[in-house]
Amino acid sequence: ETGVTQTPRHLVMGMTNKKSLKCEQHLGHNAMYWYKQSAKKPLELMFVYNFKEQTENNSVPSRFSPECPNSSHLFLHLHTLQPEDSALYLCASSQENRGWEETQYFGPGTRLLVL
Amino acid sequence: DQQVKQNSPSLSVQEGRISILNCDYTNSMFDYFLWYKKYPAEGPTFLISISSIKDKNEDGRFTVFLNKSAKHLSLHIVPSQPGDSAVYFCAASARYGGSQGNLIFGKGTKLSVKP
Repeated sequence: ETGVTQTPRHLVMGMTNKKSLKCEQHLGHNAMYWYKQSAKKPLELMFVYNFKEQTENNSVPSRFSPECPNSSHLFLHLHTLQPEDSALYLCASSQENRGWEETQYFGPGTRLLVL
Repeated sequence: DQQVKQNSPSLSVQEGRISILNCDYTNSMFDYFLWYKKYPAEGPTFLISISSIKDKNEDGRFTVFLNKSAKHLSLHIVPSQPGDSAVYFCAASARYGGSQGNLIFGKGTKLSVKP
């Protein structure tokens, strides 16, 4: 498989559930990102991992918990979410988060609905 | 406050004509700009980028123009094809300053190319 993959593609969960989103990149990159896209809003950066180290947490509530076990895999653990957390969650990767002319490559996203 | 603005939520163009998508930014530290295309149920796909040292970058039917003094960039697609119908996102990043390397996205413009 090539590029950036995400599973599941769709997820419906209750507010008391615990679930995890998975992202895998096959591009040999060292930086991985989680974004949230809500309706009629720009993509919002949530977390950045560079060489497995979290370098950015963009004021994300603690009910979202990222995990990056290696440079190829990124997880987003979800618990006690709210209906307003329903959105498209996108994973991306780049060569590294070096701050200069980086191009990020995105996965297809997980469409999350919180009931 | 939005740092990257795409003021036209939608644009409709006839096949074969030119599509011009616009993007304005407010942060003078931005020095790298990207355009992404997004089809429904897919993640954003990188299209073309431009560094602030240039004012034009061309790739096939796609050309991006950068006007630094006006803090404005545009994407020209010519000739437009029905397969170009998608949402186009403008994004920007800064080499220096806080959150260097992270992409800031606009809300997107939905392009419809009519046969």
